[in-house]
Amino acid sequence: EAQVTQNPRYLITVTGKKLTVTCSQNMNHEYMSWYRQDPGLGLRQIYYSMNVEVTDKGDVPEGYKVSRKEKRNFPLILESPSPNQTSLYFCASSPRQGFGEQFFGPGTRLTVL
Amino acid sequence: SQQGEEDPQALSIQEGENATMNCSYKTSINNLQWYRQNSGRGLVHLILIRSNEREKHSGRLRVTLDTSKKSSSLLITASRAADTASYFCAPNTGTASKLTFGTGTRLQVTL
Repeated sequence: EAQVTQNPRYLITVTGKKLTVTCSQNMNHEYMSWYRQDPGLGLRQIYYSMNVEVTDKGDVPEGYKVSRKEKRNFPLILESPSPNQTSLYFCASSPRQGFGEQFFGPGTRLTVL
Repeated sequence: SQQGEEDPQALSIQEGENATMNCSYKTSINNLQWYRQNSGRGLVHLILIRSNEREKHSGRLRVTLDTSKKSSSLLITASRAADTASYFCAPNTGTASKLTFGTGTRLQVTL
């Protein structure tokens, strides 16, 4: 089944404890992206990747890191999480950016205490 | 990239009625996409309409696009309780690095 998977789905952590949210897609998509969704603010892009080893900042990259060593994986790293990073996170992929639909993962609900 | 603005912000209808939501955007587009999000879940792509198309159908969904007014509408006919969700439009310039989503229309379908 074609899908985007994220892990974990739910996470409660404490300020400053490094964490990684994994994202994987099995559709051989070139483009991958991370969003966060907050009430009243909609979805905001954190980082995106056009292909392996090609990443760039989105609208709200501060406090986040990403890497794209393999085509299928695009992990989101929070080196030192803070309470303002409490949010619902989505990973998405697309065959290529510019024209087609995006496929979204199920979301990761993160709470930073 | 540009953001679509959905209207209304919230819509409540009874099962069997039609639901119409609108989207406005600001610059020229290559296509416009509509997505649905059930509470707390990932967005699901519903339909894509290209800039040279005026209307498109998919099951109970009907999307129109008016590029002269920079607006689109999504009509859901004979709505069901399972249609309860938030709906987002995403105008796509075809060259931007991302799709930009607004805050959506929250549709509530009651029995």
